[in-house]
Amino acid sequence: QSALTQPASVSGSPGQSITISCAGTSRDVGGYHYVSWYQQPPGKAPQVMIYDVSNRPAGVSNRFSGSKSGNTASLTISGLQAEDEADYYCSSYTTSSTLVFGGGTKLTVL
Amino acid sequence: QITLKESGPTLVKPTQTLTLTCTFSGFSLDTGGVAVAWIRQPPGKALEWLALISWDEDKRYSPSLKSRLTITKDTSKNQVILVMTNMDPVDTATYFCAHRIYFNSAYYSEAFDLWGLGTLVTVSS
Repeated sequence: QSALTQPASVSGSPGQSITISCAGTSRDVGGYHYVSWYQQPPGKAPQVMIYDVSNRPAGVSNRFSGSKSGNTASLTISGLQAEDEADYYCSSYTTSSTLVFGGGTKLTVL
Repeated sequence: QITLKESGPTLVKPTQTLTLTCTFSGFSLDTGGVAVAWIRQPPGKALEWLALISWDEDKRYSPSLKSRLTITKDTSKNQVILVMTNMDPVDTATYFCAHRIYFNSAYYSEAFDLWGLGTLVTVSS
């Protein structure tokens, strides 16, 4: 299985909105509702921000939202804050009953 | 409160076998819907899903590493063990164990809500 495709980097100014894409295939992203997004600050463990495409775990800011169209999922962060600067990874369930991660996106808050 | 902690050797030699233990608390792997996974991250690189074991002994492995991996659980000790054979320098990474999100035995996600801090394993002669 190949890794999901994410942009290597995105950036935005405080208060702006940004979107990170996660491209897969019909065998993963497009075939299941099990897409999740993780935030990973440098040197720390990942934290789930979105699961099942668009669900937010308790405690995650409603500035984070997820969606999916066809074989591509997206994470949108609105009202960008300095604390959002981190690496972001998408993940999807696959037809092999396994999971696959994206290559990661480095978010820079200007 | 759910916690997970990885343990194992920090340095292994090429061709050796790596055994990692995930010791957890706050949940039981006897409970329907519960699962624990192993995920790794080479320095400066992306996350890579390795394996998962469920309460019902269902085991899943990364297709590219399946021949080298074995995941087991010891419910009495609240542990999940990952064995990886024939280690290579490219396997140098931080290895994480993580708890799968679940609500009940019939409704769970394929995402992970709680992670250990990770343990760095270096493969070098």
